[in-house]
Amino acid sequence: DGGITQSPKYLFRKEGQNVTLSCEQNLNHDAMYWYRQDPGQGLRLIYYSQIVNDFQKGDIAEGYSVSREKKESFPLTVTSAQKNPTAFYLCASSSKGGGNHPNTEAFFGQGTRLTVV
Amino acid sequence: AQSVSQHNHHVILSEAASLELGCNYSYGGTVNLFWYVQYPGQHLQLLLKYFSGDPLVKGIKGFEAEFIKSKFSFNLRKPSVQWSDTAEYFCAVNPYGNNRLAFGKGNQVVVIP
Repeated sequence: DGGITQSPKYLFRKEGQNVTLSCEQNLNHDAMYWYRQDPGQGLRLIYYSQIVNDFQKGDIAEGYSVSREKKESFPLTVTSAQKNPTAFYLCASSSKGGGNHPNTEAFFGQGTRLTVV
Repeated sequence: AQSVSQHNHHVILSEAASLELGCNYSYGGTVNLFWYVQYPGQHLQLLLKYFSGDPLVKGIKGFEAEFIKSKFSFNLRKPSVQWSDTAEYFCAVNPYGNNRLAFGKGNQVVVIP
């Protein structure tokens, strides 16, 4: 089946440790995104990537890092510098759009709930 | 960077009442517009989208939205809600050619039977 897979669904880490969240898609999408969802805050953009080997900071990139070595994969590392890492993290992908294909509808994974203790 | 505003974070209404959720964005260029819904315990799913053409778009489950370019708005409406419409609704804006997809803070809608 085509879609986006985030793993794991639940993740627990000790304070001070880096942790990497996985996101894989088989939709052949160029663009991929990472969001953080907190109650009352909506989805806040952490990082996004429009193409392999390129990515841009979103609104809350501090304390996070990403890589985009393959089109299908966009892992997110939550570093020890992130002051409040406990949250629900969502990955998404979309077509890049443009030309005769303007559809940039984003498809979402099921999310990873990270708890730092 | 563009921003997306959704007001009245919590909305409570009775079944059969009409629903309208406001969405305003700040971006001067061409945009793609979306409304997503998140039912309790479920992942985000698309309600409707606008790219071009008729500014009144219809989505799933009887929802519709109207793009008013002069007001930078994309308000969501449903004439008669059901208990099953209880969910959180998010407006999203993607500037054309930019892919910096931004979301509003969401509207938590509770429909009382």
